[in-house]
Amino acid sequence: DVKVTQSSRYLVKRTGEKVFLECVQDMDHENMFWYRQDPGLGLRLIYFSYDVKMKEKGDIPEGYSVSREKKERFSLILESASTNQTSMYLCASSGFGTVLDQPQHFGDGTRLSIL
Amino acid sequence: ELKVEQNPLFLSMQEGKNYTIYCNYSTTSDRLYWYRQDPGKSLESLFVLLSNGAVKQEGRLMASLDTKARLSTLHITAAVHDLSATYFCAGMEYGNKLVFGAGTILRVKS
Repeated sequence: DVKVTQSSRYLVKRTGEKVFLECVQDMDHENMFWYRQDPGLGLRLIYFSYDVKMKEKGDIPEGYSVSREKKERFSLILESASTNQTSMYLCASSGFGTVLDQPQHFGDGTRLSIL
Repeated sequence: ELKVEQNPLFLSMQEGKNYTIYCNYSTTSDRLYWYRQDPGKSLESLFVLLSNGAVKQEGRLMASLDTKARLSTLHITAAVHDLSATYFCAGMEYGNKLVFGAGTILRVKS
C-alpha cells in the first residue's frame, strides 16, 4: 500500500512565523501535491511537483512556497504565517506514465492553526 | 480552466433509501475520481472513471461517467449508517492535476 506521511497532525503557530510542513511518500512517485481544505470549498491545490527540484503553482500559491530536494519528500513553507492560512493541509502523491489511471494517494493531513 | 460542481452539498437520508450525488464539470476531463473522507481522516479513493459510459460498483456505491454531458454520478443503494462521510468528486486537468468539487456531506439516519 502507498504510504504518504505528513510530519504533524496538529500544529499551532503564531502570526509572522515561518512554518514548515513536511510530507514523505514511500512509493517512488514522481508527482507530489499540496492542498488546503476548507469547509464548503473542497480541496484547493497550492503547489505541485513532477520531479525533484521542480515545482509548479497551483490555484492558490500566494503566501506559500515549496521545496523538493529528494524524490520522496515535498515540503510546504508558509513564509510569514497569517491567520487566513489556518486550515487543513493535505499532501498527496501519484505515479506517472502507465499508472495515470491510479488515484492520488493522500496523507492524513495537518490541521494548522495560526494565532 | 476546469470547474467541478457537486450537488447536493448536504444530504440527510434514511437507512435503506436510495439516492444520487451529482458531479458536473465544465470542460474536458480525461478522467473522473470519487473520494470518501471520514471526519478527521484523510481522503480514500473510491473510484477512477476513465472513459465515457464507464460504470464501477463497490458494495452499495455505484459511479458512472457521461463525458458528453460532462456528468458523473455516485449512486447509493439501500444506505447504511457506515456510509456517512463526505464524498468528493474530482476531474483531471493537464499533468495529473486534480480539481475537486466542494464535497457532499452524507448523513445516514437509522
